Amino acid sequence: GAVVSQHPSRVICKSGTSVKIECRSLDFQATTMFWYRQFPKQSLMLMATSNEGSKATYEQGVEKDKFLINHASLTLSTLTVTSAHPEDSSFYICSAGPALGVGYEQFFGPGTRLTVL
Amino acid sequence: GQQLNQSPQSMFIQEGEDVSMNCTSSSIFNTWLWYKQDPGEGPVLLIALYKAGELTSNGRLTAQFGITRKDSFLNISASIPSDVGIYFCAGVEGGSNYKLTFGKGTLLTVNP
Repeated sequence: GAVVSQHPSRVICKSGTSVKIECRSLDFQATTMFWYRQFPKQSLMLMATSNEGSKATYEQGVEKDKFLINHASLTLSTLTVTSAHPEDSSFYICSAGPALGVGYEQFFGPGTRLTVL
Repeated sequence: GQQLNQSPQSMFIQEGEDVSMNCTSSSIFNTWLWYKQDPGEGPVLLIALYKAGELTSNGRLTAQFGITRKDSFLNISASIPSDVGIYFCAGVEGGSNYKLTFGKGTLLTVNP
């Protein structure tokens, strides 16, 4: 149980285009979903916290107009990188959790490698 | 913001050896989580700790939640090549909307 999927796993796009990444909890309903960015050889950096039906809470320094988050249901959140530029190239990972009424555990998706040319 | 100090940063060991890594914090966490991340993948949850002093095992892995709630360690016994990866500790503060604070990770290399 506790499986989180992400789609796509890899995306290459031209500078100026927008990219949407989906995060789904497949076998549980999540209280909250989180979006992280990870640069090579570094730890995960939290970008935003998302709850179903409400606006996402962004961490300091993360542009909310650039990284649009939609949390449509207890099992689906999307991150849209708008007008992507090469400096947005990174590994984006979502997590979901905890499962409703169960502990504090977060479960991560497999990540999306974004390359902006 | 809150920070976790995770050590060591990297370890190079021989297959069969035991490994220990730890995390410390300047403030209290309600929950400690240990994850392993393989290259190009998302972190996978290994062990969750909820009570001060709690000692929990998952196969060859053992983790403990410090009595002061400000530290945790992870031990891996009889390491094997597939233990290679980056291990992260993460703490959950009370009332933080379940936000995780991550350590910087420990890179483990196991020589066959």
